[in-house]
Amino acid sequence: QKEVEQDPGPLSVPEGAIVSLNCTYSNSAFQYFMWYRQYSRKGPELLMYTYSSGNKEDGRFTAQVDKSSKYISLFIRDSQPSDSATYLCALARAQAGTALIFGKGTTLSVSS
Amino acid sequence: EPEVTQTPSHQVTQMGQEVILRCVPISNHLYFYWYRQILGQKVEFLVSFYNNEISEKSEIFDDQFSVERPDGSNFTLKIRSTKLEDSAMYFCASRGTSGNTGELFFGEGSRLTVL
Repeated sequence: QKEVEQDPGPLSVPEGAIVSLNCTYSNSAFQYFMWYRQYSRKGPELLMYTYSSGNKEDGRFTAQVDKSSKYISLFIRDSQPSDSATYLCALARAQAGTALIFGKGTTLSVSS
Repeated sequence: EPEVTQTPSHQVTQMGQEVILRCVPISNHLYFYWYRQILGQKVEFLVSFYNNEISEKSEIFDDQFSVERPDGSNFTLKIRSTKLEDSAMYFCASRGTSGNTGELFFGEGSRLTVL
């Protein structure tokens, strides 16, 4: 079983749609949960960070973590064409400086 | 806004040649990382570096790879004898001590093509 599973898509939605992106993981040692956004041929950029089960909201973005189910989600409200990118979930264990384990990424396209 | 800078942006090399990829992390950051992304695949951890030593490395980071912080600003990744399968985008990242685990700042990457 892979450590982190993420549906690669692609996912195509119209402008204004609500987008749901998901990852599952197998190792309960993961304590930190991140969503990164990656534009084509660019480095990943941190979008959301959380370490507890529940929801965390930042503008149009909501990150949701369910540690009991080992399931994390990112919701994008009122999606914009500028949201078109690849979204990577990333998980980390508790130690400082530890490696991030990335999902394969979901490619999102928002059409105007 | 401070950023991580990487050079070169693209390097083409012959199999068996040595390659050095350079990174200038954000100036007050103390944790440094190299990741790679083979075309169409996931971003993979290579190595983390803190307090002038490797703190963690993956199975990918074998004896052909080394990292160094030769001065107070640069952080380098050396591949001694490149293989075709080393062709990938290599990302440098850094994190400050006040940042949370997982809050990494990535550079734009160095694309390595091995022929």
